[in-house]
Amino acid sequence: SQQGEEDPQALSIQEGENATMNCSYKTSINNLQWYRQNSGRGLVHLILIRSNEREKHSGRLRVTLDTSKKSSSLLITASRAADTASYFCATIEGNAGNMLTFGGGTRLMVKP
Amino acid sequence: NAGVMQNPRHLVRRRGQEARLRCSPMKGHSHVYWYRQLPEEGLKFMVYLQKENIIDESGMPKERFSAEFPKEGPSILRIQQVVRGDSAAYFCASSPRPFLNTGELFFGEGSRLTVL
Repeated sequence: SQQGEEDPQALSIQEGENATMNCSYKTSINNLQWYRQNSGRGLVHLILIRSNEREKHSGRLRVTLDTSKKSSSLLITASRAADTASYFCATIEGNAGNMLTFGGGTRLMVKP
Repeated sequence: NAGVMQNPRHLVRRRGQEARLRCSPMKGHSHVYWYRQLPEEGLKFMVYLQKENIIDESGMPKERFSAEFPKEGPSILRIQQVVRGDSAAYFCASSPRPFLNTGELFFGEGSRLTVL
């Protein structure tokens, strides 16, 4: 099974609303990252949070990390139609430094 | 500064043919990673290469798949005798140092392989 599992698998909201996506993982991690993928395109790095951090902000993005629950959340505030994409969390497991392990992704649709 | 360049963007092969996917990392990056993405799924790690060396190929299928990153030229992911199950998007990513140190990978747009 995958290290990172996103929840929900799909999310549909209206423009201006906030979107929250969650990610759970199984083993200890060095850091957790969130990536975005537009349909048919490559992945774009959004934000990285280290295992000793609890919260991080970047523009309209807010990421939290709870290592006791092995979970992270990505919040996009005041969503826009252009935020429509798939969002993936990815982790570097404690003993697998070469491998960035991705979850299955949350497909976000923001309706104008 | 050009990003990670992959070609071809789309490739169609018949069963039994060979597929060659190329990746030129960002300028100054000597670490290359290949990932595979099946439809509606996340990316799965395949192989990590540094110039002329395979560092980690734990995600590569044991047969038909090979990768190289020569001293000169792009990294190549080669799939011999393709089967329908090989149909997927193959992504290349690069970093200037082992990404455990930098934390961020830079991805190409992917090569989409369709096996008929």
